[in-house]
Amino acid sequence: LAKTTQPISMDSYEGQEVNITCSHNNIATNDYITWYQQFPSQGPRFIIQGYKTKVTNEVASLFIPADRKSSTLSLPRVSLSDTAVYYCLVGVINDYKLSFGAGTTVTVRA
Amino acid sequence: DARVTQTPRHKVTEMGQEVTMRCQPILGHNTVFWYRQTMMQGLELLAYFRNRAPLDDSGMPKDRFSAEMPDATLATLKIQPSEPRDSAVYFCASGLGQLYGYTFGSGTRLTVV
Repeated sequence: LAKTTQPISMDSYEGQEVNITCSHNNIATNDYITWYQQFPSQGPRFIIQGYKTKVTNEVASLFIPADRKSSTLSLPRVSLSDTAVYYCLVGVINDYKLSFGAGTTVTVRA
Repeated sequence: DARVTQTPRHKVTEMGQEVTMRCQPILGHNTVFWYRQTMMQGLELLAYFRNRAPLDDSGMPKDRFSAEMPDATLATLKIQPSEPRDSAVYFCASGLGQLYGYTFGSGTRLTVV
């Protein structure tokens, strides 16, 4: 499994865009990048996944540069309810094992 | 929305007692995980099953923990005997593979006194 590095914490204010960058320098050719979100007192929730370039859904966007050694999760116009821990995971898509790091605690303030 | 159901939500028990946690995965999901989360260790993978067969339980203390899937609608995690260091939130998750993401339950908060 590729090792990932992401900031421990980030602070933001309501209405701002939050960008969380995850470094994965030893990502392998078959690895995908997946992000999960965990609210207090809840289990993690799958939010987005990608292999290269850009992926967007109703929750977030995922930007992956050509070398794939990093990726950026972008949360547009955050609200207080986006306060959560965000985990970046890298692994082979058909490897069922899911290993979480420490994640990034995002705190949104009014 | 389909959900993973875990019972009980909270459990307080005395050291040395047996604890059984249950999980009902989403119907049709063939992969089931058990995780433990603490402030110190974060999310730790304990065990996972595919098509009810255990694939990896290397994260689980074998002397006191056991995980089973007696049928496709039930996964259990048992601790016997329980110890205070087992206090944590235990999550169950199910899915079809990483490509689709996994769905987590709300967890069982275990306190061993």
